[in-house]
Parts: sequence; structure tokens; C-alpha cells
Amino acid sequence: AQSVTQLDSHVSVSEGTPVLLRCNYSSSYSPSLFWYVQHPNKGLQLLLKYTSAATLVKGINGFEAEFKKSETSFHLTKPSAHMSDAAEYFCVVSRGKLIFGQGTELSVKP
Amino acid sequence: DTGVSQNPRHKITKRGQNVTFRCDPISEHNRLYWYRQTLGQGPEFLTYFQNEAQLEKSRLLSDRFSAERPKGSFSTLEIQRTEQGDSAMYLCASSLETGGDQPQHFGDGTRLSIL
Repeated sequence: AQSVTQLDSHVSVSEGTPVLLRCNYSSSYSPSLFWYVQHPNKGLQLLLKYTSAATLVKGINGFEAEFKKSETSFHLTKPSAHMSDAAEYFCVVSRGKLIFGQGTELSVKP
Repeated sequence: DTGVSQNPRHKITKRGQNVTFRCDPISEHNRLYWYRQTLGQGPEFLTYFQNEAQLEKSRLLSDRFSAERPKGSFSTLEIQRTEQGDSAMYLCASSLETGGDQPQHFGDGTRLSIL
């Protein structure tokens, strides 16, 4: 069975500092992994997608994620946080249907 | 690309009433998915269609729930005899499946509140 675990339910950073949102996955075969972002009362927006072409995946708004098979991780990073990055972030594994983690709420302090 | 459209955005109804939501996917997308998201949780899969065929239903989709995609374009999700536990955000997503896991594009959802 496939699943994802987001290791932090809430992360708080200061504007201009790096962001790290952690995700571990479980899959019996090479997974397709995604990160989605959700702003309050909105749907989900795709940040980036991993499908085995490259282990370092670049997404929108300066986000990137690195696939590490040995650690079964797919952590999301951004070098410098912006106030507009405050939102809920979901790590997702795909098996046709999407299987979501519990989410990490990112707060950005001025 | 007008995106995935869901209507209504909000629905408030009394327990026991029936409700119906509509989803219009991105026009060339052949797959359409429904998810449910409760407060503080990630979305959970309910069902999906490829064209007009409903290919998978979750155990979460009780017999009070029914979904259709009659012409392979828009889809409706109906909940009969609503219960308090049905209060949630109902999200629709679509994708163009050409083999492999293509990204799903989400609408803004319909928030259902049961009084």
C-alpha cells in the first residue's frame, strides 16, 4: 500500500529565511510524488511533480523538492520565505487517485 | 484553459435534505475525480471517472452518495438524506490521462454545512 507521512503539522519561519517541509513516503514500487499548496478556502494548486526523470525537482514560486530513495523522503524546500507562502502544504503519492498526507501549515512571520 | 469549476461554492442545508454539486472539468480532460476534505485533514478520494465510466469508488462513498458523468463532460455528486458527518469541503479535480500519473487540477471546492 502507498502512503505519505508529513512529519510536521505546523512550521513557522521568518520572512526571508529558508523553508523545509518534510515528507516520507511508503510505496512498493517507484512512486509518483507531488506537492500541492492550499490557501484558505481555496482548492489545491500543484507546486511540483516527481516521476523519476530527475531526483531534484523544481516547482513554481521558487520551491523545489529532492527525491531520496534511500531515505524514502521527498522534502520540500525554498531558500527564502515570502509572506504569500503562508498556506497548507500537502505531500501526495499517486496511484491514479491521489493519496494525501495530513498537511503542514506554514506560517511566515514578518 | 478556464480551469476546473465547481458550483455552488457554499451549500447550507438541514439534516435529512438532499444536495447536489456540479463540477465542470478542464474541457479536454478525460478523467474526473471527487475528493472530500474535512477540517484539518488532507483530502480523501471518493470516486473517479474516465470519460463517462465510473471506474472506482471508495469505501467512504456510502449508498447515500451517487456520482454521475453522463456525457463524459461535467459531473454531479449527490448526497441523499444528509447527515452531520457529511459537512466537509467537496473537491473536484480533472486530468488528461495519456499513460503515467498526470497532475490533477483542482477546483475551489464546494463547502457543505449541515445544520
